[in-house]
Amino acid sequence: GAVVSQHPSRVICKSGTSVKIECRSLDFQATTMFWYRQFPKKSLMLMATSNEGSKATYEQGVEKDKFLINHASLTLSTLTVTSAHPEDSSFYICSARDRAGIYEQYFGPGTRLTVT
Amino acid sequence: EDKVVQSPLSLVVHEGDTVTLNCSYEVTNFRSLLWYKQEKKAPTFLFMLTSSGIEKKSGRLSSILDKKELFSILNITATQTGDSAIYLCAVGRTGNQFYFGTGTSLTVIP
Repeated sequence: GAVVSQHPSRVICKSGTSVKIECRSLDFQATTMFWYRQFPKKSLMLMATSNEGSKATYEQGVEKDKFLINHASLTLSTLTVTSAHPEDSSFYICSARDRAGIYEQYFGPGTRLTVT
Repeated sequence: EDKVVQSPLSLVVHEGDTVTLNCSYEVTNFRSLLWYKQEKKAPTFLFMLTSSGIEKKSGRLSSILDKKELFSILNITATQTGDSAIYLCAVGRTGNQFYFGTGTSLTVIP
């Protein structure tokens, strides 16, 4: 099956610093990648949809200047949390959809971000 | 506003019981409904449903979609402790977005 990786799996950073999370599709080309945020014991909240070669589409309430998304190639999308604050601490999950896939999305293992 | 609602929010059953999880939705430009199982990390895919009335089955799990009444159910028969997880329903719409429901936390007691 299709594999999506995320790096790092866990990161701790100080308040005010920026953190970059990478999402890679390992064995397929992902024309679309999605970034989700999950709070403890809650469902996944879609943050943005990232299309290769174009600007990401952000969901209402998600600050695009705070959560920078770049989808530079068909196998890589990055999410940068800028000037992180403790309230940004969360589990961030990416997913990817391949060219052939019409509906399904494949999830990465997630990144646990802790801002101190 | 698009929304996906799952019920119940949590459920505790004994091994061997049968459970039914519900997912109702109001999403414009509906394209598909997907069920996922989430244990410790990222969700794993269970089913994708696009047509009404056609049951999808995998072992003890089955699911069906009703596009007229805008809901889906996920059935698990003869539950096992390994079925304990959060079950997520996601609705995909044209334009690629997927919206997740609140999730149902299932606990199966030996």
